[in-house]
Amino acid sequence: GAGVSQSPSNKVTEKGKDVELRCDPISGHTALYWYRQSLGQGLEFLIYFQGNSAPDKSGLPSDRFSAERTGGSVSTLTIQRTQQEDSAVYLCASSLRWGGETQYFGPGTRLLVL
Amino acid sequence: RKEVEQDPGPFNVPEGATVAFNCTYSNSASQSFFWYRQDCRKEPKLLMSVYSSGNEDGRFTAQLNRASQYISLLIRDSKLSDSATYLCVVNKGGSYIPTFGRGTSLIVHP
Repeated sequence: GAGVSQSPSNKVTEKGKDVELRCDPISGHTALYWYRQSLGQGLEFLIYFQGNSAPDKSGLPSDRFSAERTGGSVSTLTIQRTQQEDSAVYLCASSLRWGGETQYFGPGTRLLVL
Repeated sequence: RKEVEQDPGPFNVPEGATVAFNCTYSNSASQSFFWYRQDCRKEPKLLMSVYSSGNEDGRFTAQLNRASQYISLLIRDSKLSDSATYLCVVNKGGSYIPTFGRGTSLIVHP
């Protein structure tokens, strides 16, 4: 069956521009996560969506980062006024109900800010 | 102390060797434990969950030691294809946010 998909797979942008990253979770999965992974580093939690509840934004590094999830399915992570330190792989994952279960990851979006 | 700690390695072993990784966690209320595998420039994928009584899946065995707050992964008869980074994941009780370790790199050579 279809897994988690993300787009674009790669994004190169100039410092100061805004970017939007998209995640399509597995159909029926109510939990959705965004993570960031810098080169050689572990996964850094960014934001969590669960059903229709208010998202947990505790991992967002600054107010330049925001995310939304429409209709309990597709999610968009937006980074405004990108900085070079935002360069990383942005991974989306979904799970059936919550993070204590298996997470299924998308292939990620590689973001490079010049 | 970090919430989840792993030896980054790399562990460099020959084919057929047995290798073990440990992962320590700081929160005694942790309830869910997993090992994920991440290949170079790929997304993490679940390798196995870790159950209290320990569990085995083919050449892979996972164990949980609550008293000492660590989980382990044992790989027997290593294959070249086992070369990857192994991520330890821990969920605190009542929390929906998993904590990932930074991973242990395994290189299996001929």
